[in-house]
Amino acid sequence: AQSVSQHNHHVILSEAASLELGCNYSYGGTVNLFWYVQYPGQHLQLLLKYFSGDPLVKGIKGFEAEFIKSKFSFNLRKPSVQWSDTAEYFCAVNGGGSARQLTFGSGTQLTVLP
Amino acid sequence: AAGVIQSPRHLIKEKRETATLKCYPIPRHDTVYWYQQGPGQDPQFLISFYEKMQSDKGSIPDRFSAQQFSDYHSELNMSSLELGDSALYFCASSYTGDRSNQPQHFGDGTRLSIL
Repeated sequence: AQSVSQHNHHVILSEAASLELGCNYSYGGTVNLFWYVQYPGQHLQLLLKYFSGDPLVKGIKGFEAEFIKSKFSFNLRKPSVQWSDTAEYFCAVNGGGSARQLTFGSGTQLTVLP
Repeated sequence: AAGVIQSPRHLIKEKRETATLKCYPIPRHDTVYWYQQGPGQDPQFLISFYEKMQSDKGSIPDRFSAQQFSDYHSELNMSSLELGDSALYFCASSYTGDRSNQPQHFGDGTRLSIL
C-alpha cells in the first residue's frame, strides 16, 4: 500500500524566509506526485504536480518541487514566503495505473509571520 | 472556469439520522472521488466512480453508499450517522477517459456536523 510522510507538522517562518517542506512516499510502482494547499476554511487547491519528465516542477504562486526518485522524495520549496502563504500544505501521491485515488500526507501547517 | 460544486456547504444532523451529499464535477470530467477529512487530519479516500461505475473503494463505512448518475453528478448517502462522522467531505473530479494523467480538482466541501 502506498503511503506519504510529511516530516514537519508545523512550520513557522518570517516573511521573506525560504521554505522547504519535506515529503517522502512509499509506493511500489510508477507514481504521480502532487502538492495541494488548503487555506483556512477552503478547499484543496493544486499547487503543482509531477507525472514524468523534468524532475523540477514549477507551480503557482512561486512554488516549486523536486522529485528525487532515489530518495522517494518530493520536497516543496519557495525562495521567499509571504504572509498570504499561511495555510496547510498536503503532499499526495497516486499510482500511474487505474487506481487514481490520492493518498495524502498528514499535512504541514505553515504560519508566516508578518 | 467552472469548478466542482458541492452541496450543501454545511449540514447539521443528529445521531442515527441520514444525510445526502451532492457533487457536480467540472464539465467533461468523467471521474468523481469522495474524501473525508476529520478535524486536524488529512483527507482520506472513500470511493470513486468512473463513467457511472464504481472504480475504487477506500475506507468507506458500510453505512455509506454512493453513486454517479447519467449527468456525472454523484451523491454520497450516509445512514445511521455517528458522532465520528463529523468531518469535511470533499468531492474531486478529473478526466481519465483517455488514460492520460490529469490532476484532481476539489470542491469546497460539505461540512457535516453530528450532534
